[in-house]
Amino acid sequence: DSGVTQTPKHLITATGQRVTLRCSPRSGDLSVYWYQQSLDQGLQFLIQYYNGEERAKGNILERFSAQQFPDLHSELNLSSLELGDSALYFCASSHGTSGASSYEQYFGPGTRLTVT
Amino acid sequence: AQSVAQPEDQVNVAEGNPLTVKCTYSVSGNPYLFWYVQYPNRGLQFLLKYITGDNLVKGSYGFEAEFNKSQTSFHLKKPSALVSDSALYFCAVRDISPNQAGTALIFGKGTTLSVSS
Repeated sequence: DSGVTQTPKHLITATGQRVTLRCSPRSGDLSVYWYQQSLDQGLQFLIQYYNGEERAKGNILERFSAQQFPDLHSELNLSSLELGDSALYFCASSHGTSGASSYEQYFGPGTRLTVT
Repeated sequence: AQSVAQPEDQVNVAEGNPLTVKCTYSVSGNPYLFWYVQYPNRGLQFLLKYITGDNLVKGSYGFEAEFNKSQTSFHLKKPSALVSDSALYFCAVRDISPNQAGTALIFGKGTTLSVSS
């Protein structure tokens, strides 16, 4: 168990809908990362937050957004869902954003999103 | 741009034999390299990392990796494979693009390791 929790584990929804995925980082970790894993694209970085502020952006669609709250948990919002958004969404956390403590990321179990 | 390549989709090895999972990277500057393992229906688990120092890095579950700067490789190895090592293995490099202030990782496509008894 990595100490990173994600809810829900599974989510089935229809095209055009909006969903929210939730992540709680390991105790003491300030950075949260979101990744998308799909068969065709592999594992891709979406976005990183550090202590409540956006730190880095990857291949995140404009229909997707995220935030990190004062208690450090994070939410990934996916809207106007399309069939191609079906994937496994992982959250990861690390202690800092620089130095050795930032280099190891600990992953949650993921949320499997199915868009029908 | 930074990238990671795992040239083999699948590696098959018999239990007790040594295993190697290959990874090559392309970065500007010094690489920060990682190996993660993913078991079915689970998240990724950190195995080991290379930041600086000895080229041979030891990690969890008896795995080790050898950093080779001249060949831009970071192959994962284990002297004696176990059936329980069967999983999906990812090599990753830290994204140090000029427009990236964070510490995101760039992952390879993954290599499925199958260890037979």
